[in-house]
Order: sequence, then C-alpha cells, then structure tokens
Amino acid sequence: SQQGEEDPQALSIQEGENATMNCSYKTSINNLQWYRQNSGRGLVHLILIRSNEREKHSGRLRVTLDTSKKSSSLLITASRAADTASYFCATDEAGNNRKLIWGLGTSLAVNP
Amino acid sequence: DGGITQSPKYLFRKEGQNVTLSCEQNLNHDAMYWYRQDPGQGLRLIYYSQIVNDFQKGDIAEGYSVSREKKESFPLTVTSAQKNPTAFYLCASSSAFPETQYFGPGTRLLVL
Repeated sequence: SQQGEEDPQALSIQEGENATMNCSYKTSINNLQWYRQNSGRGLVHLILIRSNEREKHSGRLRVTLDTSKKSSSLLITASRAADTASYFCATDEAGNNRKLIWGLGTSLAVNP
Repeated sequence: DGGITQSPKYLFRKEGQNVTLSCEQNLNHDAMYWYRQDPGQGLRLIYYSQIVNDFQKGDIAEGYSVSREKKESFPLTVTSAQKNPTAFYLCASSSAFPETQYFGPGTRLLVL
C-alpha cells in the first residue's frame, strides 16, 4: 500500500528558481526520508527527518515535517539543470513490520 | 569503494524461464531489500532480509524467490509464475531499519 503521496506529480521550472514538493502520509511515523532518482538509475538518499524534528537542511535542500498535518515538504533552492530527477518520499509506520512505504514521486524538470 | 552492485544491467527472459538477478553489497549492512518499479510508479517491496538466513515477503512476493546465505549477497529469482515480470528491479541495503537505504543501479528485465 502507498502511504506517501507526493504532489505535484510533475513540476517544471527555470534554472535558478526554487522547487517545492510535498508529501502526505496517513499513519504515525518514526521518520520520513526523501530520495532522488535520475532517469533509469537507482535512488539516492537526500535527507532523513525524524518525527521529533521540524526542519532539516542539507546544502540547497530544506525539509520540513508537520506531524500534526502528516505532511512534509522538500524545498530545493536555486535549482540547477542537474536537479532534474524524480523525488520520492518514504515513511516507516511506527511499530510496523519493518518496511518503508513509498510515494509515487514528483518528477522535476529544471530548464536551462 | 563501498557500495551496492547489481547485475546484469539488462536481462531478457523467455517464456517459462526462471532468471536470477544479482545484488551484492560491501557496506557491511545487515538489511537488504528488493523493489520493483514500473514506469511512472513508486517502489513496491518484493522481499526483504534483516539478517543472514532470514527473509520476509513484501507486498508483491508472488512469483519471486530470494535467498540470503551470505551477508553480502541477496539474489532475486523471477520465476515462471511471475506473469508480468517486465520492470526495473532495484536492490537496496541499510545498516538497520528504518535508516537510510543505499540503492544499486538497478536491473531492467524484459520479456522476449
């Protein structure tokens, strides 16, 4: 079953602009992770944010987590053409049988 | 170099044939996972293993089998019982659940 739902499904922006992607989930979680996937490649981990954290930064990435709304956002600032990829959120249900639940992803296109 | 490798990159299966996808990691991770990804979709868990000689079914295990005889290796066999095997298969590992998962480059399976 898919717990994470990203929106928008697709996003197209110009280089230099900021990109914001959202992820909603249904149950209580221990943590939420964001991954990037370039076309035809494996996934690369970006950020893990724990349920007791509200915001986390890594370079040009900023992730927020609102457990009351069961949602998270990924902000990429000053986007580059190399940021073109699909972005997925993954959550673990608190107390579940030890597997991540993946969203369907947001496809980001950054135009030069 | 530490990492996770998958082979082959492309695999062709004939009707009624079993095929095995290789996944090897040298990250000393206890947990390993197999996912299936269909075009435009998120990841669906096939099997996972938290420790050597133990594995559990994921959400779509029918038509697949795995083994975990060594910590470094987690091969996936796509059996003839899997009627729609065409997909992109991703292997991942993590030091523990639900920590960061490290992905291999994937194997694309096509049916002749």
